[in-house]
Amino acid sequence: NAGVTQTPKFRVLKTGQSMTLLCAQDMNHEYMYWYRQDPGMGLRLIHYSVGEGTTAKGEVPDGYNVSRLKKQNFLLGLESAAPSQTSVYFCASQQGARTGELFFGEGSRLTVL
Amino acid sequence: AQKVTQAQTEISVVEKEDVTLDCVYETRDTTYYLFWYKQPPSGELVFLIRRNSFDEQNEISGRYSWNFQKSTSSFNFTITASQVVDSAVYFCALSDAMDTGRRALTFGSGTRLQVQP
Repeated sequence: NAGVTQTPKFRVLKTGQSMTLLCAQDMNHEYMYWYRQDPGMGLRLIHYSVGEGTTAKGEVPDGYNVSRLKKQNFLLGLESAAPSQTSVYFCASQQGARTGELFFGEGSRLTVL
Repeated sequence: AQKVTQAQTEISVVEKEDVTLDCVYETRDTTYYLFWYKQPPSGELVFLIRRNSFDEQNEISGRYSWNFQKSTSSFNFTITASQVVDSAVYFCALSDAMDTGRRALTFGSGTRLQVQP
């Protein structure tokens, strides 16, 4: 029972480097989300997707890009990492329009030096 | 716009004490869902409860209980006879339910609960 899997779990980047976080879910969920968690701020929505081939901006999208080429995968990209993007990133998936509950991955801790 | 406020940043109690975590929300929707998630020191987010806006019945699950009051826009969480394993950060969250097409949760900033032995 994999659920929602995020890779990598930890990463250290230098300012200006790029990287991609991968989120994979095996529950056939339509909706997928990327959040970031920072101390004292809860979780904030970066981008989301309501289906394969669709993406949309959330609350804090600047500096990130996403793609949903396959239903089971949702990629979060940082083209030019900045120290302000040091955070813990959570991916989540959701079954459908009326269910509500989000299933979360274990998180990916990213440090940008 | 939606907003969730958890005014208590950190609470410390001694084991076996009862503790209530407050959650106040704002939304213009008439249909919405409220959630509580637990984040233990290991970091994962654990779903605890979902409540829809039409169901104001309080709920009890073991030592956990939830008090939903639409009149005060609050969805408070009480742990009875707290245990050390309850130590975690607890998040309250709100989801709109109607026409936005997405149902992402808006989270509060979390309350860190420390239960001392």
